[in-house]
Amino acid sequence: QVQLVQSEAEVKKPGASVKVSCKVSGGSLTEFSMHWVRQAPGKGLEWIGGLDPEDGETLYAEEFQGRVILTEDTSTDTAFMELSNLRSEDTAVYFCANLRDMVINRPFQAFDFWGQGTMVIVSS
Amino acid sequence: DLQMTQSPSSLSASVGDRVTITCRASLTIGTYLNWYQQKPGKAPKLLIYAASTLQSGVPSRFSGRGSGTDFTLTISSLRPEDVATYFCQHSFSTPFTFGGGTKVEIK
Repeated sequence: QVQLVQSEAEVKKPGASVKVSCKVSGGSLTEFSMHWVRQAPGKGLEWIGGLDPEDGETLYAEEFQGRVILTEDTSTDTAFMELSNLRSEDTAVYFCANLRDMVINRPFQAFDFWGQGTMVIVSS
Repeated sequence: DLQMTQSPSSLSASVGDRVTITCRASLTIGTYLNWYQQKPGKAPKLLIYAASTLQSGVPSRFSGRGSGTDFTLTISSLRPEDVATYFCQHSFSTPFTFGGGTKVEIK
């Protein structure tokens, strides 16, 4: 059974960086179009960025541009999200999620498979 | 960016009730609309994609309708296991954005 297994919770100081991992267990990362979504405590879901399956480019939400880097290591089937210059507002649960084309030959995409989430706390 | 507005933000209903949640897009998005269910401490789960198509394994009491800017998620007969927060999300273009969520509780 395929699972997305994320790294453990992190506590960081303001200004530091954090790198969260998402390992495909029981499958291959090449079968996934990995994206990242975060959720601040008691708040809604916010898309950070991910791989565009059409052209292989990495897309980022504007508010994270220049502060986030998404990478993949296919040798270990692991995706990474690195967020730098952390501030208290970055305290959130970070999810990896697969963006899938749900309808053959039609561009209806959805996040059909999610990791369990990684809590990142930013506090001095 | 496309904004997604959900209403109500929370609701309380009895077991067996019909429950409807609304999602409105700030621009027309066709049927590029998905619905997710999130239980406390868990990752979201895809319920419906393309506005009205039920994801495999999702009970048939869930249904979605709408196109353009106005969408609804309906639970035909509320069950205790449906207690969760529900989110809409557009896939029309990036950045993908989510609605603010609707928390469903049992009265």
